[in-house]
Amino acid sequence: AQSVAQPEDQVNVAEGNPLTVKCTYSVSGNPYLFWYVQYPNRGLQFLLKYITGDNLVKGSYGFEAEFNKSQTSFHLKKPSALVSDSALYFCAVNTGGFKTIFGAGTRLFVKA
Amino acid sequence: EAEVAQSPRYKITEKSQAVAFWCDPISGHATLYWYRQILGQGPELLVQFQDESVVDDSQLPKDRFSAERLKGVDSTLKIQPAELGDSAMYLCASSLAGQGTNIQYFGAGTRLSVL
Repeated sequence: AQSVAQPEDQVNVAEGNPLTVKCTYSVSGNPYLFWYVQYPNRGLQFLLKYITGDNLVKGSYGFEAEFNKSQTSFHLKKPSALVSDSALYFCAVNTGGFKTIFGAGTRLFVKA
Repeated sequence: EAEVAQSPRYKITEKSQAVAFWCDPISGHATLYWYRQILGQGPELLVQFQDESVVDDSQLPKDRFSAERLKGVDSTLKIQPAELGDSAMYLCASSLAGQGTNIQYFGAGTRLSVL
């Protein structure tokens, strides 16, 4: 069975500092990996995805993520955090079938 | 920019009552998803449609939940009777197709409170 783990419930960073939101996965087969962001009282919004190719994926709002097959990880990163990045972030995995599995989410808090 | 529309945004009901949620996906999107998101957790798939056909409803509590997408466009999710444990955010999403590489576009959700 496929699964996704986001080991941190909350990540706190100061504005201007780099941020990392961690994600690890467990699948049988090649993973398709996604990051989504959710702002209060809103649905999830797509940030970026990894399907194949370059392990470093660039997405919306200056975010990027690195696919690491040996560590089965897909951590979300941003070089310089903004207060407006404060939100709930979800990692998700699919193996090419119908079902996408979402992690429990990590709340990012960026302090001014 | 096209969006997934959901209504109502909020619903308060008493247990044992019936509730219904409506979703209108982005035009041209063949795949429609209903998710339940409990506070502090990630979305959990309840049912997935490809056009008007159900392709996955393995996590749908079929004794009380039903979903339809009669003409392969908009969809309705119904709960009857509602239970206290059904209090959650119900999210609808759509994608061009159901393959795992496709981006899902989410509506703003319906927050259900069962009293």
